[in-house]
Amino acid sequence: QVVLTQSPSASAPLGASVKLTCTLDSGHTNYAIAWHQKQPEKGPRFLMKLTIDGSHTKGDGIPDRFSGSSSGAERYLTISSLQSEDEADYYCQTWGIGIRVFGGGTKLTVL
Amino acid sequence: EVQLVEAGGGLVQPGGSRRLSCVVSGFTFSSYAMSWVRQAPGKGLEWVSGISSGGVPHYADSVKGRFTISRDSSRNTLHLQMTSLRAEDSAIYYCAKEGPYGDYVGDAFDVWGQGTRVTVSS
Repeated sequence: QVVLTQSPSASAPLGASVKLTCTLDSGHTNYAIAWHQKQPEKGPRFLMKLTIDGSHTKGDGIPDRFSGSSSGAERYLTISSLQSEDEADYYCQTWGIGIRVFGGGTKLTVL
Repeated sequence: EVQLVEAGGGLVQPGGSRRLSCVVSGFTFSSYAMSWVRQAPGKGLEWVSGISSGGVPHYADSVKGRFTISRDSSRNTLHLQMTSLRAEDSAIYYCAKEGPYGDYVGDAFDVWGQGTRVTVSS
């Protein structure tokens, strides 16, 4: 079964950039993933779908500040020009036949 | 505008049952796979169950045999029938639409609802 690993927390100053990482297990390094943002008291928000070659398709209305990239088993979400409303939990997600999987999430703090 | 609106949450006793619904609008419901995802207090997102556009269900091991997912395309509604509920099923339950490949190898959840809270407690 595919496993996604994320660091539990990250932080960066207001206006700076941050790069979050989602790592696929060794048996599934070619999988595409999705990134989702989860703010308190709100439903999750789809940010983008990201493939092994780094191409990504963003959700409706997602600002250009959000971008994705890939390297081997790692999938990245980069948020530039951090704003206070970017403080949230970020989850990666992937899929297989009959199963959908989430990473443990990264709590992003904007300093 | 694409919308997913969940309903049916509430307080239920351990061992009890509850039926959740998700009414969708703004897209052709019958063409897309759908899923339920939950978030327990202080925990991360957990996929619970999914159903293809043709009605083939899939379940997480944690709910297999207790939960049943179904869909009614005439009413643009997704359901989750939950039985034998346990304290660890307490969570906010979200309905999610899958992308165009959901019926094949799976896809990203590209639209989410706002969730409905289920609390299992005596």
